[in-house]
Amino acid sequence: AQKITQTQPGMFVQEKEAVTLDCTYDTSDPSYGLFWYKQPSSGEMIFLIYQGSYDQQNATEGRYSLNFQKARKSANLVISASQLGDSAMYFCAMRGINTGGFKTIFGAGTRLFVKA
Amino acid sequence: ETGVTQTPRHLVMGMTNKKSLKCEQHLGHNAMYWYKQSAKKPLELMFVYSLEERVENNSVPSRFSPECPNSSHLFLHLHTLQPEDSALYLCASSQEGSRSEQYFGPGTRLTVT
Repeated sequence: AQKITQTQPGMFVQEKEAVTLDCTYDTSDPSYGLFWYKQPSSGEMIFLIYQGSYDQQNATEGRYSLNFQKARKSANLVISASQLGDSAMYFCAMRGINTGGFKTIFGAGTRLFVKA
Repeated sequence: ETGVTQTPRHLVMGMTNKKSLKCEQHLGHNAMYWYKQSAKKPLELMFVYSLEERVENNSVPSRFSPECPNSSHLFLHLHTLQPEDSALYLCASSQEGSRSEQYFGPGTRLTVT
């Protein structure tokens, strides 16, 4: 069975500091993708970053980077230089090739609060 | 319009009403999804359509009926809902494949009275 675990219901970070949001996963798929999404209070889910299970390098997108440790089955999101606009819910998600590339499993989310 | 749009943004309906949620994507994607997001619960996948064919139905009650007339449009028909169906309903689209990210609409906030 596939599962995503986000153990931090809420996180606080000071503006301009870096923060790491944890994500661990479980899957029997030989190939899978890991995603992070941001959901502001407006409700819309915004795609942030993607990591493929066979990618050799950790993904980076601007201030977002993914600390992928395949052996530990973890895919933590690192946000550098936090901004007030980063306050939102963050969801880790996974999609495996055995489900035809359609079924995406989401974690419960972490609410990030950025303090001025 | 660009991206994924959903209408209406807010909906209040009684348990005996029939209503429909609409989703439209302008991204040329070939897969579309309905998700339910309730308070304090992970996002729940309801239905997936690929090339207008339903490929995933996650044990959703029959009072929710999806329809995908073409690759750009997705509907969720609602009838005789229960108060526990009150939630944010999100539509998403993507290309097929495990490497493709999903693009979400703004959601419909549904309240069943």
